[in-house]
Amino acid sequence: EDQVTQSPEALRLQEGESSSLNCSYTVSGLRGLFWYRQDPGKGPEFLFTLYSAGEEKEKERLKATLTKKESFLHITAPKPEDSATYLCAVRTSGAGSYQLTFGKGTKLSVIP
Amino acid sequence: EPEVTQTPSHQVTQMGQEVILRCVPISNHLYFYWYRQILGQKVEFLVSFYNNEISEKSEIFDDQFSVERPDGSNFTLKIRSTKLEDSAMYFCASMADRASNYGYTFGSGTRLTVV
Repeated sequence: EDQVTQSPEALRLQEGESSSLNCSYTVSGLRGLFWYRQDPGKGPEFLFTLYSAGEEKEKERLKATLTKKESFLHITAPKPEDSATYLCAVRTSGAGSYQLTFGKGTKLSVIP
Repeated sequence: EPEVTQTPSHQVTQMGQEVILRCVPISNHLYFYWYRQILGQKVEFLVSFYNNEISEKSEIFDDQFSVERPDGSNFTLKIRSTKLEDSAMYFCASMADRASNYGYTFGSGTRLTVV
């Protein structure tokens, strides 16, 4: 069974204090790892897709990286507006419909 | 920017009643999905829909659930006889094609409360 584990569950940062969120996965053939941002009461908002170990993607203060067992979402000099829950999800081989398996998320709070 | 629209945003229903959650996916998208998120828990896959039929469903998606794309634009999720444990946020999502690098586009969700 595919498993996605995110850590920490919650993270409080001072504005400008850089850190990383972790997503470890156990799957039978990775066909894409996705990062989403979710604001309270809203649907997940797409951030990145990573496909192979060593791949990196960047967007503003966020950078996502991928290894064979985990992915990191690095947040550089965060601002209060970066406060949200960050979700990691995987798509695996054999799933005909592009089904995603999600982790529980990391709730990030950035304090001014 | 194109978006997935879900209505209503919040629905309260009596246990045992039928509910229909509605979604308008992005117009040129071909793959459609329903996910749910019970408060404090993971986002969970319910069902996928392509070419006017269900392509995959989870164990959660039992006989009480059904989906329909009645008119080429709307995509609905029906829960025939709601239970207390059906209370959750229900998200509709759509995707252009299976090679998309952008995963899904999710709607803002319908919060279903069963009382």
